[in-house]
Amino acid sequence: EIVMTQSPAALSVPPGERVTLSCRASQSVSSNLAWYQQKPGQSPRLLFYAASTRATGIPARFSGSGSGTEFTLTISSLQSEDFGIYYCQQYNNWPQTFGQGTKLEIK
Amino acid sequence: QVRLVQSVAEVKKPGASVKVSCEASGYSFTIYDINWVRQAPGQGLEWMGWMNPHSGKAGYAQKFQGSVTFTRNTSITTAYMELSSLRAEDTAVYYCARGRGFSGYGSLDDWGQGTLVTVSS
Repeated sequence: EIVMTQSPAALSVPPGERVTLSCRASQSVSSNLAWYQQKPGQSPRLLFYAASTRATGIPARFSGSGSGTEFTLTISSLQSEDFGIYYCQQYNNWPQTFGQGTKLEIK
Repeated sequence: QVRLVQSVAEVKKPGASVKVSCEASGYSFTIYDINWVRQAPGQGLEWMGWMNPHSGKAGYAQKFQGSVTFTRNTSITTAYMELSSLRAEDTAVYYCARGRGFSGYGSLDDWGQGTLVTVSS
C-alpha cells in the first residue's frame, strides 16, 4: 500500500504568519489527494480534494498544490481558528491511505 | 444540509461484536458510497472500507477482511458497521463518511460525529 508521509510532525506558528505543510507519497498518486483538518474532539473536515480543489466553505487563505508524489497545503495568513491536526489522504490506489498528520498550534 | 448521525458510544468485552449505525439525511442516500474510518486514541485515521448503499456491495481493507461487515437499510437511510471478535486494540472512534468517489476511490466529503467503541474486560 502507498505510504503517506507528512512533515513536519508538529509546528507552532504565530497568527498572521504563512504556514506550509508537506505530504509525500511513496509512489505517484497523480492528483488524487485530499486534505483534512481535525480539531480536538471533532470529526475530520474536508479541506481539499483533487489536490487543489477547495471544499465548500473553506476560506481562501487555504490553498493546496502538488501532483505525483509531492503535495503542499498552505495557509497564507494563519488565524487563531486554524489550530488542529492536518491529514493528507491518497485515494489513487487501493486501499486509500492517510498520512500520520501534522499538528498545528497557534503560538 | 448533509448530516450523518451515528449511534452512541459502546463498551464491549473482548470477543464480542459491536454494530454501529450511521443515519444519513440531506441527500439521496443511495447515490453516494459510505466509507468507514477509525481512529484509535491519540492516533491517526485508518480507512476500513466502503459500501454502496444502492447495491449493498462493499469492499474491505485487507486488515479488516473477515472481521467487519457493512450493511444498510435504505428505507431508513441508515448504514451499519459490524465488527466482530473484538480485541482491546479495536478500541477507537469509528466514523462513517460520505464518499465523493466510488468503490473506495475518492475523498470523504462529510463525516459523522463518531462513535467511541471501548473494548475492555
